[in-house]
Amino acid sequence: AQKITQTQPGMFVQEKEAVTLDCTYDTSDQSYGLFWYKQPSSGEMIFLIYQGSYDEQNATEGRYSLNFQKARKSANLVISASQLGDSAMYFCAMREGFSGTYKYIFGTGTRLKVLA
Amino acid sequence: ETGVTQTPRHLVMGMTNKKSLKCEQHLGHNAMYWYKQSAKKPLELMFVYNFKEQTENNSVPSRFSPECPNSSHLFLHLHTLQPEDSALYLCASSQDVASGAYYEQYFGPGTRLTVT
Repeated sequence: AQKITQTQPGMFVQEKEAVTLDCTYDTSDQSYGLFWYKQPSSGEMIFLIYQGSYDEQNATEGRYSLNFQKARKSANLVISASQLGDSAMYFCAMREGFSGTYKYIFGTGTRLKVLA
Repeated sequence: ETGVTQTPRHLVMGMTNKKSLKCEQHLGHNAMYWYKQSAKKPLELMFVYNFKEQTENNSVPSRFSPECPNSSHLFLHLHTLQPEDSALYLCASSQDVASGAYYEQYFGPGTRLTVT
């Protein structure tokens, strides 16, 4: 079974509008971390936002926010006021495990295209 | 140089060649990672080094051989590769991998490898 599922292979959004990228995860650990990364066409993965499993509030970083619904095991990324430079692949990732045995697991990604 | 650098950016090699990929991080991090990114597949974690010690080998074939001489440098030695090994190889670093905190990873731009 997939540990990280991103069901949207591609998304379009109009410039200046908000967009939500979906991510669901599967783990039996109580303690885990969730990350979102952006990968422009240049190839470099850029860290965007992090949510810990014990964090009670949704994480926010500028125009990025993470809609964390623990019971549903979802960690959707919300990008507000989309910009043309937001066009990229977006990956959801999870870190689970214990000290010395941590595993980072990535989803298959969502390609976002921002339209002018 | 800042961040995480990788050389070469592009590599074409025959199945009988031996080559090495190099990664260097200028962030003072203690953990370094090799990932393989193939088209339409999730990012695959290959190796993890923490304080120069290998902490993870995700069942990677022996034709891939990592080397971490110090916390700033990571190599991936390649020999007798197969065409299915063609992919983008990403190096990443993070502050630590053994502590309880969830440190984000910083990625290099990757090496696009083509095996002919």
